[in-house]
Amino acid sequence: DVKVTQSSRYLVKRTGEKVFLECVQDMDHENMFWYRQDPGLGLRLIYFSYDVKMKEKGDIPEGYSVSREKKERFSLILESASTNQTSMYLCASSSRHSGNTIYFGEGSWLTVV
Amino acid sequence: AQSVTQPDIHITVSEGASLELRCNYSYGATPYLFWYVQSPGQGLQLLLKYFSGDTLVQGIKGFEAEFKRSQSSFNLRKPSVHWSDAAEYFCAVVTSYNTDKLIFGTGTRLQVFP
Repeated sequence: DVKVTQSSRYLVKRTGEKVFLECVQDMDHENMFWYRQDPGLGLRLIYFSYDVKMKEKGDIPEGYSVSREKKERFSLILESASTNQTSMYLCASSSRHSGNTIYFGEGSWLTVV
Repeated sequence: AQSVTQPDIHITVSEGASLELRCNYSYGATPYLFWYVQSPGQGLQLLLKYFSGDTLVQGIKGFEAEFKRSQSSFNLRKPSVHWSDAAEYFCAVVTSYNTDKLIFGTGTRLQVFP
């Protein structure tokens, strides 16, 4: 089975802190994604990467950056956390070779106080 | 612009009753369509997907969905709901076949009464 692992399930950070959310997948997928989930808004794409060191902005990239130095790892960075970034963050991965099925991690709950 | 609409925010059914969750999409080309389920505090699990071919798609946990191009719909159905089906359900469409970028609907929360 494909495994997408988000290292931190629950985080509490202070306003202005730099926050790293880490995601690792074990199936050699070329595509990786970060989504944000908020009640009534569904999931919104923050950034995605289709190869190592490649990234593209999604629908709501403001206030976020990403890093993909290795194929299996995709990090989401909040340079200066703000309270409006309190949310559930979901990482996902996919591959042409997996039938374009997108696999999700269990999510990271971030609270910014 | 591509979009997905789930018109029902919250649905309540009795255990054993049939279920239909609605999904409409707006997409110019042939869509790749998905239904995902999310249990409280968990990630998303794929229920089923439609890429091409037979418009009635079978998924896991007894779910099925029917793609109707004329109605731009991909409704999810289950003939008899179990209490464990209580969760949030998301319909999604892929907008880029090369990169698998998904656009999600806002979700439908299903509550099941015994």
